[in-house]
Amino acid sequence: EPEVTQTPSHQVTQMGQEVILRCVPISNHLYFYWYRQILGQKVEFLVSFYNNEISEKSEIFDDQFSVERPDGSNFTLKIRSTKLEDSAMYFCASAKDTNTEAFFGQGTRLTVV
Amino acid sequence: GESVGLHLPTLSVQEGDNSIINCAYSNSASDYFIWYKQESGKGPQFIIDIRSNMDKRQGQRVTVLLNKTVKHLSLQIAATQPGDSAVYFCAEIPNSGYSTLTFGKGTMLLVSP
Repeated sequence: EPEVTQTPSHQVTQMGQEVILRCVPISNHLYFYWYRQILGQKVEFLVSFYNNEISEKSEIFDDQFSVERPDGSNFTLKIRSTKLEDSAMYFCASAKDTNTEAFFGQGTRLTVV
Repeated sequence: GESVGLHLPTLSVQEGDNSIINCAYSNSASDYFIWYKQESGKGPQFIIDIRSNMDKRQGQRVTVLLNKTVKHLSLQIAATQPGDSAVYFCAEIPNSGYSTLTFGKGTMLLVSP
């Protein structure tokens, strides 16, 4: 069964460093998303991406964040200068179409120290 | 110290009981709803969905009910099993065209053998 894969599963980084979280969405999907979940809290939307551009983003997704689809398979989230409060699980998701279920990856646990 | 954000509503049931998990959604314009299950350390996993033109949908052991008048969604799990123990989130998609999910706060379901 096709699935969304994310790497690494856990990333520890020092405050102020840049991190890149990687995702391989399901191959025939066209809509890509990043969500984050701070420990014990609900899943929060960060950004959606369609047709090689950002289609929506939340208030969380400030200038420190960027996304890229560098090739036909990867979808990355970059945090330019990490802060302690960026520590969270980051989930990538993809969907075939609008108003259809989004499939989530297993997440990357980002710990900023 | 205080564990901020770890106080999820919790439903404790015995194995074999039926479980009902409730969710109030926020946007009256939402036209697609999904229930996700999240096990510890994993990404959200799709359970069942419903569109706003329906008020009930059944899957295997699960039923989702939608009451648009009061913006209420419920998930019924029949014959609950220990493997159903997880956090359950409802998610809505406003009719924005980009499938951006807005998650609810989550309910922890604990199933005792």
